[in-house]
Amino acid sequence: DTGVSQDPRHKITKRGQNVTFRCDPISEHNRLYWYRQTLGQGPEFLTYFQNEAQLEKSRLLSDRFSAERPKGSFSTLEIQRTEQGDSAMYLCASSTTSGRDPDTQYFGPGTRLTVL
Amino acid sequence: AQSVSQHNHHVILSEAASLELGCNYSYGGTVNLFWYVQYPGQHLQLLLKYFSGDPLVKGIKGFEAEFIKSKFSFNLRKPSVQWSDTAEYFCAVNSLMDTGRRALTFGSGTRLQVQP
Repeated sequence: DTGVSQDPRHKITKRGQNVTFRCDPISEHNRLYWYRQTLGQGPEFLTYFQNEAQLEKSRLLSDRFSAERPKGSFSTLEIQRTEQGDSAMYLCASSTTSGRDPDTQYFGPGTRLTVL
Repeated sequence: AQSVSQHNHHVILSEAASLELGCNYSYGGTVNLFWYVQYPGQHLQLLLKYFSGDPLVKGIKGFEAEFIKSKFSFNLRKPSVQWSDTAEYFCAVNSLMDTGRRALTFGSGTRLQVQP
């Protein structure tokens, strides 16, 4: 039973560069979420997908952020023109709307982004 | 907007002591409630959840939580902690009344340190 996976686990970039993260959800899960976590805080919601449709975006998700889930399976989160304030752990979670464990989100290990 | 408060930011206990971590939320409608744990160097893991029914829910590793609707609380308890319980604990809420809203709102976390 594979859980949620994320790639890369760590990313160091220079300010102004673009970065892209990938998330592979649990295989039968139709919902996929992105969160951001900074030191000493709980995760904050960024956006979520049901299948390939992006259904909700937080106001935290500035125009420099874009997320896709083209075939309703894996998702990517891109940050353009990174800023030092983007440094954080980016978490992905997935859940299902049916089956024996609906509406319970399971989290991946995260991608830690450091912007120099 | 819903919010979650965890009043204990850092708790230090000796092994075998009893644990209670507070969690209060601000939403008056129907909610799903969760406790997640993050062990050092590991990703967020589900400890337990409450959707409906018996307000006293049992989770993994001997943890339990009680939902008290009148107090908007979902406190986490364990009768006897072990050194291996050292971790950060997050309470999270999913409001069912906000149309389409499926994201979790997290508290800021409680860091538990268990001394041998």
